[in-house]
Amino acid sequence: SAVISQKPSRDICQRGTSLTIQCQVDSQVTMMFWYRQQPGQSLTLIATANQGSEATYESGFVIDKFPISRPNLTFSTLTVSNMSPEDSSIYLCSVEDKGAGNTEAFFGQGTRLTVV
Amino acid sequence: QKEVEQNSGPLSVPEGAIASLNCTYSDRGSQSFFWYRQYSGKSPELIMSIYSNGDKEDGRFTAQLNKASQYVSLLIRDSQPSDSATYLCAVNPNFNKFYFGSGTKLNVKP
Repeated sequence: SAVISQKPSRDICQRGTSLTIQCQVDSQVTMMFWYRQQPGQSLTLIATANQGSEATYESGFVIDKFPISRPNLTFSTLTVSNMSPEDSSIYLCSVEDKGAGNTEAFFGQGTRLTVV
Repeated sequence: QKEVEQNSGPLSVPEGAIASLNCTYSDRGSQSFFWYRQYSGKSPELIMSIYSNGDKEDGRFTAQLNKASQYVSLLIRDSQPSDSATYLCAVNPNFNKFYFGSGTKLNVKP
């Protein structure tokens, strides 16, 4: 399975500022995914990042708030812009790995963001 | 209607008992189903995948799939306190996007 390194693991940020989260994979992958997990909730997909094209955002998420970069097949960043306390959450990077012909999702360690 | 539904729990079982976790999904065409375990403060960890009707066993874990009923379950035999976590059911209906349930919190009491 793919090994995913995500950083920072946690941060406390002032409202109105921005934070960029990095995700590095040890192998080339076509698609990378960014999820948000609010306290006590399940995972909500923010966007799908494809190399060489604009990210695809899910309903309720916009590029101005969550700009994403995907400069190559092993790396992506998610920026949380103009943060407010409502953005306090865990942000997770994910990739899909086709092992033995089946697709499985694997996750980075997550970034625990607190906005004060 | 949510894509994937789970009972949020908590489900409490004594050590050594069988824990049964259930999940239903809405997309009848779904082909891939997964169970993830998430310890508090950690990211989800894949523990089982299942693709065809019936049972799939891996150690103390058994996944069961019934596509006609749109139902998938996870059985944990000989439950241990270390199994205490939130278990997320996930469905990959079109090989392009995963949908996650809200998770069931399992407490295994020593």
